Amino acid sequence: DADVTQTPRNRITKTGKRIMLECSQTKGHDRMYWYRQDPGLGLRLIYYSFDVKDINKGEISDGYSVSRQAQAKFSLSLESAIPNQTALYFCATSERTGLHLHFGNGTRLTVT
Amino acid sequence: AQSVTQLDSQVPVFEEAPVELRCNYSSSVSVYLFWYVQYPNQGLQLLLKYLSGSTLVKGINGFEAEFNKSQTSFHLRKPSVHISDTAEYFCAVRGNFNKFYFGSGTKLNVKP
Repeated sequence: DADVTQTPRNRITKTGKRIMLECSQTKGHDRMYWYRQDPGLGLRLIYYSFDVKDINKGEISDGYSVSRQAQAKFSLSLESAIPNQTALYFCATSERTGLHLHFGNGTRLTVT
Repeated sequence: AQSVTQLDSQVPVFEEAPVELRCNYSSSVSVYLFWYVQYPNQGLQLLLKYLSGSTLVKGINGFEAEFNKSQTSFHLRKPSVHISDTAEYFCAVRGNFNKFYFGSGTKLNVKP
């Protein structure tokens, strides 16, 4: 679904580096989310934003920060990457009614 | 609090056989339930959702799910699977503040 675009698709970085994952959407949705997927653990919520001025922590926000630059853009940053942040990261959007999530294709991040 | 339990991490099945993927949930708020599918190297796509009304919900690709309030379950079924159904399936519940909680996933492996 090209309506939610994540960049990059793959990234390898070293421990201690700062890295940013970007998400943009053309769906016009107010709500945006960042999830992390690990094998056997499903998806866990990192941060979510209901509009540009409303940003909230999810279940596992430690070590992460976000920026909602515009309604259509929501970036996730790892200030100092560590190996256990190696995972598949998904951005998602929803309408204000929040009846379901629309996902991007994910960013596979490897921290060595 | 909301949580989702998917009882089977992997389900092998032969092509044209029926399949059931199990999901149990806990929720302290109104229950909105979802099944998503993830094909390799892709994001998650909505299969079906239960918001209210009929407890039997039909989705895409011939899948259906039944909401059972007394057993707090939302099992996914298909009467005859195809090779193309091989994917990972996630059950999710929408909780407070439009936050979605996902199960750990079930990998469906359809064999010829």
